[in-house]
Amino acid sequence: DTGVSQNPRHKITKRGQNVTFRCDPISEHNRLYWYRQTLGQGPEFLTYFQNEAQLEKSRLLSDRFSAERPKGSFSTLEIQRTEQGDSAMYLCASSLYKQGETQYFGPGTRLLVL
Amino acid sequence: QQPVQSPQAVILREGEDAVINCSSSKALYSVHWYRQKHGEAPVFLMILLKGGEQKGHEKISASFNEKKQQSSLYLTASQLSYSGTYFCGTEMGSGGGADGLTFGKGTHLIIQP
Repeated sequence: DTGVSQNPRHKITKRGQNVTFRCDPISEHNRLYWYRQTLGQGPEFLTYFQNEAQLEKSRLLSDRFSAERPKGSFSTLEIQRTEQGDSAMYLCASSLYKQGETQYFGPGTRLLVL
Repeated sequence: QQPVQSPQAVILREGEDAVINCSSSKALYSVHWYRQKHGEAPVFLMILLKGGEQKGHEKISASFNEKKQQSSLYLTASQLSYSGTYFCGTEMGSGGGADGLTFGKGTHLIIQP
């Protein structure tokens, strides 16, 4: 059983460029979460999917952010017109839905916007 | 509502014990504890559901006091490998995962030989 994987692990981009990150959850998990973590802070919830449906989005998720999970397996998070404030670690987590489920995190994608 | 973790940091000698607290002003459904080492993903430690249960995992255990809306993580006979930042993630209401987890700011634990 492989864990949650994320690609790329690091991304450096210039302000104004678009970036896309990928998350592959644990295979049997039907829920997938995206979080953002900045230095010295805990992860902040961005959005989550149950199968292919995006069921909740945080107010943190501006219009420049979009996430998809087209076939209920892997997910992508795209940031358009990146800003320096988008620099952070983007974490993906997956879980098997039940009450009080455990979320397992991937290694994250560290984004640096210059 | 972000949970409040205390202390912010603690330095221990190997073999000493530590307690990390996580408090919420809102009614909690569950508390999830993670440890994160620098540059790595958070690693799941344990989950506690409302009902005041206590759980154990080797020399790491935790409790959940529903009346106080507080969870405590107990590290006994600490090992060097316990160093890292400990986060509590909370879920409110009736659970279901709809809003993801709300994490505290973390407690930095340094274990010295």
